[in-house]
Amino acid sequence: NAGVMQNPRHLVRRRGQEARLRCSPMKGHSHVYWYRQLPEEGLKFMVYLQKENIIDESGMPKERFSAEFPKEGPSILRIQQVVRGDSAAYFCASSPRTGTNTGELFFGEGSRLTVL
Amino acid sequence: TQLLEQSPQFLSIQEGENLTVYCNSSSVFSSLQWYRQEPGEGPVLLVTVVTGGEVKKLKRLTFQFGDARKDSSLHITAAQPGDTGLYLCAGTLLSSNDYKLSFGAGTTVTVRA
Repeated sequence: NAGVMQNPRHLVRRRGQEARLRCSPMKGHSHVYWYRQLPEEGLKFMVYLQKENIIDESGMPKERFSAEFPKEGPSILRIQQVVRGDSAAYFCASSPRTGTNTGELFFGEGSRLTVL
Repeated sequence: TQLLEQSPQFLSIQEGENLTVYCNSSSVFSSLQWYRQEPGEGPVLLVTVVTGGEVKKLKRLTFQFGDARKDSSLHITAAQPGDTGLYLCAGTLLSSNDYKLSFGAGTTVTVRA
């Protein structure tokens, strides 16, 4: 059952280091979304990508955060010079096409980033 | 402020009891989804509702979408310990791109054996 695969599941970084989170969508899915979840808050949209294209990054902080979904390989969410406030669970979701009315989002198990 | 307000935030009940979780907004949604999330896991989709007034049943779970498509409820009959989890509602605004899901903060449900 090849669901959405995220790694690492847990990542610890010191302030100022870089964090790289990877996401392989479900087979046949070409749309990838990244969400961030803080304790006792809902998931917040960060970015929506298709292969080699960033469609919408309006939810992603302008500085230190970047995302890509190359032609080959997983989608990567990169956080440079991490700060304690970046500590959160980062979820990747995929869908076969745009829209959620019939094309549901399938979420991975998340990557939990802790910044010391 | 959350676009989708869920209530209650926490709910603890005894096995066999019924419970209802609410999801409210002042905005109109083109569709609304309910997810369940267990600790250390990602959200798992339970249902999608798209039509105002729609009622969907999934075994002991009943989902309702308000007539005006601004609110929804999840009712669980005869709750079991396996129903324990974080229940999240999420929706796509009528005025938004249809890929952007807005999530409520969730209701943590605990069913005691």
